[in-house]
Amino acid sequence: DGGITQSPKYLFRKEGQNVTLSCEQNLNHDAMYWYRQDPGQGLRLIYYSQIVNDFQKGDIAEGYSVSREKKESFPLTVTSAQKNPTAFYLCASSISVNSYNEQFFGPGTRLTVL
Amino acid sequence: AQSVTQLGSHVSVSEGALVLLRCNYSSSVPPYLFWYVQYPNQGLQLLLKYTSAATLVKGINDFEAEFKKSETSFHLTKPSAHMSDAAEYFCAVSDPGNTDKLIFGTGTRLQVFP
Repeated sequence: DGGITQSPKYLFRKEGQNVTLSCEQNLNHDAMYWYRQDPGQGLRLIYYSQIVNDFQKGDIAEGYSVSREKKESFPLTVTSAQKNPTAFYLCASSISVNSYNEQFFGPGTRLTVL
Repeated sequence: AQSVTQLGSHVSVSEGALVLLRCNYSSSVPPYLFWYVQYPNQGLQLLLKYTSAATLVKGINDFEAEFKKSETSFHLTKPSAHMSDAAEYFCAVSDPGNTDKLIFGTGTRLQVFP
């Protein structure tokens, strides 16, 4: 089955620690995205990538970092610089970076800072 | 800047009743418009999208939406609600200033009562 997988489903972090969220897709999509979802705020774009070894900041990139070494993978690191990291994180992909295209979403990772 | 407004963070209907979820956007340039659905603790799934081919767009599960340029609206409807429609619904619009991006509304949670 083609799709997007995210792991882990739940993640707990102590303050001051960096954590990395995994996102893998087997849809052969060029574009990948990371969103943060908070109650009542919808989805906000953190980073996106058009192609391997290239990525752009979204609206709320501070305190986050990404890499795109392989087409299939787009991991997100939540650093200790992120002031309020507790949230639901969603990864998505699309054929290409163009808002015309449907984005396909993974099941999400819920991050809680203890 | 483009923005999207979903009126009503919560909507409740009885099973079999009409579903109406409202979405308004701000751009004077007709954008691409999307409705996504999110079931609890899952990612988003595309219901339908408008890309200027037809003003009435039909989606999955008997949902449809009508693009009204004069009202800058793209409201989502379903003639008869089913218990399985209970979920959160997001309207999204393309950003005319950055065609890489979608802007999401804050979501409307639909409850369906028997």
